Amino acid sequence: AQTVTQSQPEMSVQEAETVTLSCTYDTSESDYYLFWYKQPPSRQMILVIRQEAYKQQNATENRFSVNFQKAAKSFSLKISDSQLGDAAMYFCAYRSDTGTASKLTFGTGTRLQVTL
Amino acid sequence: NAGVTQTPKFQVLKTGQSMTLQCAQDMNHEYMSWYRQDPGMGLRLIHYSVGAGITDQGEVPNGYNVSRSTTEDFPLRLLSAAPSQTSVYFCASSLRGTATNEKLFFGSGTQLSVL
Repeated sequence: AQTVTQSQPEMSVQEAETVTLSCTYDTSESDYYLFWYKQPPSRQMILVIRQEAYKQQNATENRFSVNFQKAAKSFSLKISDSQLGDAAMYFCAYRSDTGTASKLTFGTGTRLQVTL
Repeated sequence: NAGVTQTPKFQVLKTGQSMTLQCAQDMNHEYMSWYRQDPGMGLRLIHYSVGAGITDQGEVPNGYNVSRSTTEDFPLRLLSAAPSQTSVYFCASSLRGTATNEKLFFGSGTQLSVL
């Protein structure tokens, strides 16, 4: 079974600064997908970014980018120019290539605080 | 387009009571699933379905039953509620597509407390 580990329960960043959230995973599969989800206080789950394991290029979405290191099984999220609205829980998630979009394995989450 | 609708949003039960958490989607999605979210544990998969009449267990299925008689609905039943089932429950759905374009849609969650 796959496991996803987020070793930072809480992180803090000043507005306009850059922060990196860590995620490692364990799998014996070669093809899979990785995701970062944001959960603000509203409890809504929002997809931030996704990465296909077969792609060497790191995914980017505006101020959000990932550092995907397949050999090290590491998938960190970098948030640039942090904004107050970025304050939320962030979950890293894994999807097997042989699974479905509804069957994700999540990490325990990192709570991000954004200060003035 | 309502997306994924969960009812109720909040529920308090006594130990031993039964109830059904409702989940409905109007996007004709084949895949549906239930997750529970507990502090410090992230979201964990309870049950999932790949189509009407087909369900399977996830990581934490004990104490929960599901059925999928229609594409739209995927109810989660607690047969005899226990305090350990106090949690926030999320329903999610997605289309059957290529892994590259699949997108998971979440409901807004049900906060359940079992006393």
